[in-house]
Order: sequence, then structure tokens, then C-alpha cells
Amino acid sequence: GPKVLQIPSHQIIDMGQMVTLNCDPVSNHLYFYWYKQILGQQMEFLVNFYNGKVMEKSKLFKDQFSVERPDGSYFTLKIQPTALEDSAVYFCASSLQENSDYTFGSGTRLLVI
Amino acid sequence: GMPVEQNPPALSLYEGADSGLRCNFSTTMKSVQWFQQNHRGRLITLFYLAQGTKENGRLKSTFNSKERYSTLHIKDAQLEDSGTYFCAADNNRIFFGDGTQLVVKP
Repeated sequence: GPKVLQIPSHQIIDMGQMVTLNCDPVSNHLYFYWYKQILGQQMEFLVNFYNGKVMEKSKLFKDQFSVERPDGSYFTLKIQPTALEDSAVYFCASSLQENSDYTFGSGTRLLVI
Repeated sequence: GMPVEQNPPALSLYEGADSGLRCNFSTTMKSVQWFQQNHRGRLITLFYLAQGTKENGRLKSTFNSKERYSTLHIKDAQLEDSGTYFCAADNNRIFFGDGTQLVVKP
């Protein structure tokens, strides 16, 4: 079936540096999401995005976080600057309708050292 | 309380056994999805339900919006079924359960 691709699958970065996580959503999907999962804990909603705008974000979506999807290319999550507590697996998802029938990517495992 | 309560938190089965997982919701949900997360952290969508029951091989899931619950039933458990199972329910935002860690033993 259709897939969401996340690039890279793993990333190690020094604390304070910038990182960009890339997501290639399902081609006809309109809604995009980022979730964060700290090792051993549940998945937490970060943000959803539609029509070039953030629709909703959680308190985990700190000021250092930003999302965009320039010209229908990758849907990106940028963290600048990174902090140790940003270490987690970040999952991207997309859907045709809002909050309905998600397709998830495989996740990007981010380690901030 | 939490929007989604998932039980059990952990489950151990022998190969060939049947068992079920359950998510209870604190409010009416529009839909539910079930995911399996394998040992590498990869998330696999098992079911999406807006109502009723779906089956796929050895897996069956039911969603009852009115009674505020969903179940995932695993039949004839296999070693590759091991992993963490999450339900996620939609009420204008997706809420995840805490997960059930399933271990299937030979």
C-alpha cells in the first residue's frame, strides 16, 4: 500500500545544533502530523499541518520546533537548537482527511549528545 | 481521566494461543486504529475502524463507539506477533493508548 518515507532513519547530533527530519507523505494526502516517542513511553502528539499551516500543536511542540512543507516537497520538522531531551523517535504520518486513517512512517531515531 | 485506557500493559503468550487486547475510551470516539510496533520501533497499521468489526488473517478488531471500547483479538499467536500494540482513537485529535507489550514464547 502507499507509504510514508522518513529520512534519515537515524540521526546523531550534538546538543545545540540544528536538525531537520524529513518526511515524504503519501502523494494525495493533505494532512500531515508529527509524533514523538521517547524510548519505552507512549506516542505523543506534536503538531498537525494542513494547507501550509500549523492547525494544532501540543505543549511538547517547543519554540525551538518548526514545521513546513515548501512547494509540496518533504514535510519537515526542524529543531533549532536541539536539547538532550529531544532524543526520541519521531514519527511522521499523513492522511487524506483530518485525523482519519493515518499512514505512519517508520520513524527517525534522533539522538542528541 | 485519560482519554484512552489500554489493557493489559503486558501480555505473555505461548505460540498457538489466542488472546485479546482492549482499549476503553473516556468519551465517544469517531474511529480507532490499531498499530503494532516491532522491536526496531517500526509502526505498522493493523486496522482502521469507524465502526463494527474487521478481520485480517489471525487478527480481528472491533470498535463500539457507543459503548466506548475497541478490542484487538489475536488468534494462534506466532513468534513474529511479539511487539508493542497501540490503539489510537480519534476525537478531533488522535489519542494513543499506553501500549500493550506482547511477548510470544515458543
